[in-house]
Amino acid sequence: AQKITQTQPGMFVQEKEAVTLDCTYDTSDPSYGLFWYKQPSSGEMIFLIYQGSYDQQNATEGRYSLNFQKARKSANLVISASQLGDSAMYFCAMREGGSQGNLIFGKGTKLSVKP
Amino acid sequence: EADIYQTPRYLVIGTGKKITLECSQTMGHDKMYWYQQDPGMELHLIHYSYGVNSTEKGDLSSESTVSRIRTEHFPLTLESARPSHTSQYLCASSDYSEAFFGQGTRLTVV
Repeated sequence: AQKITQTQPGMFVQEKEAVTLDCTYDTSDPSYGLFWYKQPSSGEMIFLIYQGSYDQQNATEGRYSLNFQKARKSANLVISASQLGDSAMYFCAMREGGSQGNLIFGKGTKLSVKP
Repeated sequence: EADIYQTPRYLVIGTGKKITLECSQTMGHDKMYWYQQDPGMELHLIHYSYGVNSTEKGDLSSESTVSRIRTEHFPLTLESARPSHTSQYLCASSDYSEAFFGQGTRLTVV
């Protein structure tokens, strides 16, 4: 079974609008972490944001915020005020069992920002 | 800022050659990983390490091997490159709340 599910293969958003990229996860481990990465066409993986399973507040980093709904096992990424440079692949990842667990990735969502 | 480096960034090599992809990090992370990714596709874990002298195979079977003699260094070796090894290889290291990637190596075997 897929541990990380990203149901949107592709998304379009108008420049300056906000966009939500979906991510659901499956784990029975009470301790886990959730990560989001951006991968532009150049291929590097850029770390955006982290949410721990015990964190009470939703994580935020600049224009990125993580909408963490633990009961629904969802960790959606919200990008506010989209910019043309936000066009890229976005990957959600989970790590179970503390810092020694492996990073498991979803299949990604390709975001295109329209001018 | 991430301090993890991969070399080379691009490599075109002939079939049958031995190659080593380098990965180094200066963040003191114990956990390191190698992923293989075809363009626009998902990442597949091929190797990981918990620390010095620890190496494990990942979910995707790979003909490559790795070593971890020093905390900061996690090279990947292909003894005999084949066209099927053409892909992007991404190295990463992690601590509890952070996980950073190198810039990747795009390997083409001709």
